[in-house]
Amino acid sequence: AQSVTQPDIHITVSEGASLELRCNYSYGATPYLFWYVQSPGQGLQLLLKYFSGDTLVQGIKGFEAEFKRSQSSFNLRKPSVHWSDAAEYFCAVFMNRDDKIIFGKGTRLHILP
Amino acid sequence: DAGVTQSPTHLIKTRGQQVTLRCSPKSGHDTVSWYQQALGQGPQFIFQYYEEEERQRGNFPDRFSGHQFPNYSSELNVNALLLGDSALYLCASSPLLGSPLHFGNGTRLTVT
Repeated sequence: AQSVTQPDIHITVSEGASLELRCNYSYGATPYLFWYVQSPGQGLQLLLKYFSGDTLVQGIKGFEAEFKRSQSSFNLRKPSVHWSDAAEYFCAVFMNRDDKIIFGKGTRLHILP
Repeated sequence: DAGVTQSPTHLIKTRGQQVTLRCSPKSGHDTVSWYQQALGQGPQFIFQYYEEEERQRGNFPDRFSGHQFPNYSSELNVNALLLGDSALYLCASSPLLGSPLHFGNGTRLTVT
C-alpha cells in the first residue's frame, strides 16, 4: 500500500542551527511531493513542491528539499532555523493512480533559544 | 482574494447527533477535498469533490457524506456522531488534480 513515513515525531534544534526533517514514501511511480507546515490551531501552508526536473527545490521561508529517487526520500532542510519555525511539518504525496494526496503523521519541531 | 474559508470554526455536539461543516474554496479552484486530523496525527483523506460529484474516497464509513454545489462550495456531513469523530476537519481546494492543496483553518469538532 502507498504510504508516507516521517520517522521523527519530535525534533528539537537550537535557534541558528541547521535542520533536516526526513520523509520517505512508498509508491510505484515517481509521485508529486509536498511539504506543508501547520502552526497551532491553523490550517496547513505549502512550503514547497516537487513535480519533476531539478531534484533540489526551493520553497518559502528559506526551506529547501531534495528528492532522491533511489532512497524514495524527500527530506526538508533549512540552514539556520528561527524561533518562528517552531511548528508541525507534514510531508505529502500525490498518488496519480488514486487521484488523492496523502500525508505523513508529521514532525513537531521545537526550537531552543 | 479570499482563500479557503470554513465554518464554523468550532463545534460541540453530542454522541448520536448529526453535523454539517461548510467550505468555500479559493477563487478559481473547482476541486474540494476534505481531511480529518485527529490530535497529534496527520490529515486523513476523507473524500474529494469535483464537478459536484465524489471522485475519490478514503477509508471512512458511510456516516461521512458530502456535497458540492454549482459554485464549488462544499459540505461535509457526519451522521450518528461517535466520540472518535472529535477532530479538526480541514477543507482544501485546488485548481487541478495533483496541484498543491490550499487549506482552510479547519473546523474543530468536539463530540461529548
